Amino acid sequence: AQKVTQAQTEISVVEKEDVTLDCVYETRDTTYYLFWYKQPPSGELVFLIRRNSFDEQNEISGRYSWNFQKSTSSFNFTITASQVVDSAVYFCALTRNTGNQFYFGTGTSLTVIP
Amino acid sequence: DTAVSQTPKYLVTQMGNDKSIKCEQNLGHDTMYWYKQDSKKFLKIMFSYNNKELIINETVPNRFSPKSPDKAHLNLHINSLELGDSAVYFCASTWGLSGYGYTFGSGTRLTVV
Repeated sequence: AQKVTQAQTEISVVEKEDVTLDCVYETRDTTYYLFWYKQPPSGELVFLIRRNSFDEQNEISGRYSWNFQKSTSSFNFTITASQVVDSAVYFCALTRNTGNQFYFGTGTSLTVIP
Repeated sequence: DTAVSQTPKYLVTQMGNDKSIKCEQNLGHDTMYWYKQDSKKFLKIMFSYNNKELIINETVPNRFSPKSPDKAHLNLHINSLELGDSAVYFCASTWGLSGYGYTFGSGTRLTVV
């Protein structure tokens, strides 16, 4: 069975602080994809990143970075120098290569305080 | 040129009514989905269609009936609406049965009063 756990329900940080959102996943598949989505107060799901299970390289995109570690089944997301606009709910998700549905974590609500 | 479009964006209706939510994608994808996000923000799949055929049908009341007239459209019809149906419904599409390349619509907020 597939499962994604985001243990942090809510996080508050002061603007310009760094923050890491944790994601732990479970799957027995060797091929799978991991995702992060942002859901701002407006409600849409904004795609942030996709990684496949064979690519453990960490990725940096501006203030965002992702740390994928298969050894610990984790795919953590760090926001550097947080801004108020980063306030949102962030979802980690997993899809199987041939299962075609998303398994979402329960989301982490991030509030950045000015 | 919205990739996955849902209509309406907001829907407020009374208990017992029947309503439909429409979804259209212009990405050339052949697989489409409906997800439900409840009041606690939990997102869960409801249905999946591949080439107009139902391939995923989670434990959803049979008051919910998806219809896919063609590969580009997947509509969701809900009969006898209940208070507990209030949620945000997301449509999504992708190519094939792979988990690669998902695109979500912007969601439809359904409120049953």
